[in-house]
Amino acid sequence: DQQVKQNSPSLSVQEGRISILNCDYTNSMFDYFLWYKKYPAEGPTFLISISSIKDKNEDGRFTVFLNKSAKHLSLHIVPSQPGDSAVYFCAASYSGNTPLVFGKGTRLSVIA
Amino acid sequence: DAGVIQSPRHEVTEMGQEVTLRCKPISGHNSLFWYRQTMMRGLELLIYFNNNVPIDDSGMPEDRFSAKMPNASFSTLKIQPSEPRDSAVYFCASTEGQGMDNEQFFGPGTRLTVL
Repeated sequence: DQQVKQNSPSLSVQEGRISILNCDYTNSMFDYFLWYKKYPAEGPTFLISISSIKDKNEDGRFTVFLNKSAKHLSLHIVPSQPGDSAVYFCAASYSGNTPLVFGKGTRLSVIA
Repeated sequence: DAGVIQSPRHEVTEMGQEVTLRCKPISGHNSLFWYRQTMMRGLELLIYFNNNVPIDDSGMPEDRFSAKMPNASFSTLKIQPSEPRDSAVYFCASTEGQGMDNEQFFGPGTRLTVL
């Protein structure tokens, strides 16, 4: 049973536009959420995180939004760049002491 | 720092053979994780260690899988005997501290193909 779901396996966006990647979770105990980015033949790298006490966290072009009532989070990339083309994984944990649970990932393609 | 180091990067073996994957975490990190990535199941946690002690191995699929961490700078994941369905990319990750909200640093992965 997938506790963290990324329902879109892929997404294509034009350069300069906004990319929105979505993630849903089922476990209401989750209180910490992360996004990882993965290029081919490399391991995932941490991108941005958010605690459940916040509903938004911003880092440059990347913003993560959390809607606890809907058990939904999203990653916004503005403006999108070709170098953002990668697989993005959503992950969640609770109490800071449990293993991260990852979604299956969304492949983002930014077209020049 | 060189980051998390994994070896080999690619492994092709025949069904029934023993496979050993190796990981060197980032110096000073005291938690280490083994993940498996497949198309069907995405990125799954297999086992994690804290201060060289296995904390949760509930993700290890079968008794054919075993992991050790004899010291703070080395861990192995062994599959014996290997089967074609074990074909996947195996990642090792490490982090400071015990809290899972610490950023995990991943190695480049080992792509395993079992024929």
